[in-house]
Amino acid sequence: DAGVTQSPTHLIKTRGQQVTLRCSPISGHKSVSWYQQVLGQGPQFIFQYYEKEERGRGNFPDRFSARQFPNYSSELNVNALLLGDSALYLCASSLGAWGAQRAEAFFGQGTRLTVV
Amino acid sequence: ELKVEQNPLFLSMQEGKNYTIYCNYSTTSDRLYWYRQDPGKSLESLFVLLSNGAVKQEGRLMASLDTKARLSTLHITAAVHDLSATYFCAPMGGTGNQFYFGTGTSLTVIP
Repeated sequence: DAGVTQSPTHLIKTRGQQVTLRCSPISGHKSVSWYQQVLGQGPQFIFQYYEKEERGRGNFPDRFSARQFPNYSSELNVNALLLGDSALYLCASSLGAWGAQRAEAFFGQGTRLTVV
Repeated sequence: ELKVEQNPLFLSMQEGKNYTIYCNYSTTSDRLYWYRQDPGKSLESLFVLLSNGAVKQEGRLMASLDTKARLSTLHITAAVHDLSATYFCAPMGGTGNQFYFGTGTSLTVIP
């Protein structure tokens, strides 16, 4: 079975540009979350989607947005990129809602975004 | 907001030795996860701890959870070089039931 897949794996953008990152969850998983990991730090929560609805949002500016499609894949969009947005962006998928017992999350390999 | 503190932040240990990584968190959480991350790689799930007193073991690693003390530990027994990585604890909480990650513990096992 394929795990969580993210694309692209690496990306270089210029300040002020916009970027779209993509995530395909494990087959059958309905919940997708996005995390930002700045070098040397732990991941920070950005968004969670379950059954195509936003279920949680972290402390990120409105330049960050996301959506989940009927096939449960997801996109993360970041507008007006800043140098500080350079990070590893991780997508996590889970079988059910996060509140469910034994909900285990599996992370993709991440997208390394560099803003210059 | 749930705060997570891991210590030590950096750990260098010799092969064959034992050590414990501590994870303290600030507010109630009913579940906690441990992840491993190799340099430049994603997060690999190690343990899911779902209740007070939970203990799980896999190979040379053993994790425990004390929800009353808001403390989890990751014990390493007879370390080997392959265990060198960064280890994160991540209690779950918040309105979106998100993970709250600490800064991680960077473990280096020296032959």
